[in-house]
Amino acid sequence: EAGVAQSPRYKIIEKRQSVAFWCNPISGHATLYWYQQILGQGPKLLIQFQNNGVVDDSQLPKDRFSAERLKGVDSTLKIQPAKLEDSAVYLCASSLDAGPYEQYFGPGTRLTVT
Amino acid sequence: QKEVEQDPGPLSVPEGAIVSLNCTYSNSAFQYFMWYRQYSRKGPELLMYTYSSGNKEDGRFTAQVDKSSKYISLFIRDSQPSDSATYLCAMKKGGTSYGKLTFGQGTILTVHP
Repeated sequence: EAGVAQSPRYKIIEKRQSVAFWCNPISGHATLYWYQQILGQGPKLLIQFQNNGVVDDSQLPKDRFSAERLKGVDSTLKIQPAKLEDSAVYLCASSLDAGPYEQYFGPGTRLTVT
Repeated sequence: QKEVEQDPGPLSVPEGAIVSLNCTYSNSAFQYFMWYRQYSRKGPELLMYTYSSGNKEDGRFTAQVDKSSKYISLFIRDSQPSDSATYLCAMKKGGTSYGKLTFGQGTILTVHP
């Protein structure tokens, strides 16, 4: 079974530029998550999708971050404009459904904002 | 105060040692408790997943949950150099639509030969 795919793996941008990350979840998984992991910290949930609807985006900085999940499969996370404090690893995870189901994580995209 | 507290270490042990990793939490709504292992430049992978208080064993790994004390532990027996990684505790509230994991800070473990 293929795992969660993410691209790019690494990205370096200057502050105030924009950037987009892509995630392809495990086939058949209804729930998709984006987490932000700052160096030395545990991941923090940014947004949770159930199929193509948003369930939880309470910790998403909506003035600069946006996310979508088209057709309930792939998802993109965008930052515009980026700030220095956005430097982090962005992890995508998916699960069969919400609730008690196990979440499978992708390898992450490491973003450096200079 | 953070909802989940985890000693970041770092922790360095010799091969074969027993390792104990711990987390405390403040939110009594947490019902599901997990331990993830994260190798450098990789995503977290699930090691242990428990629902209720008590012990769960899987090979060299044992997870303990004490809901009354709001305390969870992971024990690694006969530790190996390949166990060197960051260990993250994570917790989740109940509910069929709820999915958010709340993570601890992670403990960096090094097992040296």
